[in-house]
Amino acid sequence: DTGVSQDPRHKITKRGQNVTFRCDPISEHNRLYWYRQTLGQGPEFLTYFQNEAQLEKSRLLSDRFSAERPKGSFSTLEIQRTEQGDSAMYLCASSLITAGGANEQFFGPGTRLTVL
Amino acid sequence: GESVGLHLPTLSVQEGDNSIINCAYSNSASDYFIWYKQESGKGPQFIIDIRSNMDKRQGQRVTVLLNKTVKHLSLQIAATQPGDSAVYFCAFNTGRRALTFGSGTRLQVQP
Repeated sequence: DTGVSQDPRHKITKRGQNVTFRCDPISEHNRLYWYRQTLGQGPEFLTYFQNEAQLEKSRLLSDRFSAERPKGSFSTLEIQRTEQGDSAMYLCASSLITAGGANEQFFGPGTRLTVL
Repeated sequence: GESVGLHLPTLSVQEGDNSIINCAYSNSASDYFIWYKQESGKGPQFIIDIRSNMDKRQGQRVTVLLNKTVKHLSLQIAATQPGDSAVYFCAFNTGRRALTFGSGTRLQVQP
């Protein structure tokens, strides 16, 4: 399967614990996005990278959230000191941005986080 | 799998009928539009896209219509099948940055 993959698919943690999620984008894609989705809502943008550069992070929900893409390939999203309100589906998407091209984003299956 | 969109507007159609799902957007600078299909417990799946310099684009059994005057987007599915049952989201892009998603619509196809 050459699509976007995410790991783990499900994570249950206790309040106050740190969690880290991984995303592997489509291999030739230079852009990688993180979104969060709660029940009944569309995905909400968090942050994105072009290659290894994080181009926008102002939409991260708090300073407890951070993301990295150290080598411009896979990315990790970390949530520190989790709270029950962090329970959601965390989605990763990737796209190939070229001159004049559209921003067609392909999504992974998501990581479902439950904070007890 | 977990349900997506427990309280979303629902469109119920008979198998074989055509479906039309509508979406409104507010940012007149939006220049790229995508329709996604999301099944329970899965990530959004790309269906079809359209750029702002077009008003219609067709795919296999799907057509997207864009009316920039009233900031309205629609997805038409021809000969709807049970496998089309899902939540459908429109999404907008401005300047090739992150997507903004509209509110979803649940499509239920009755056999």
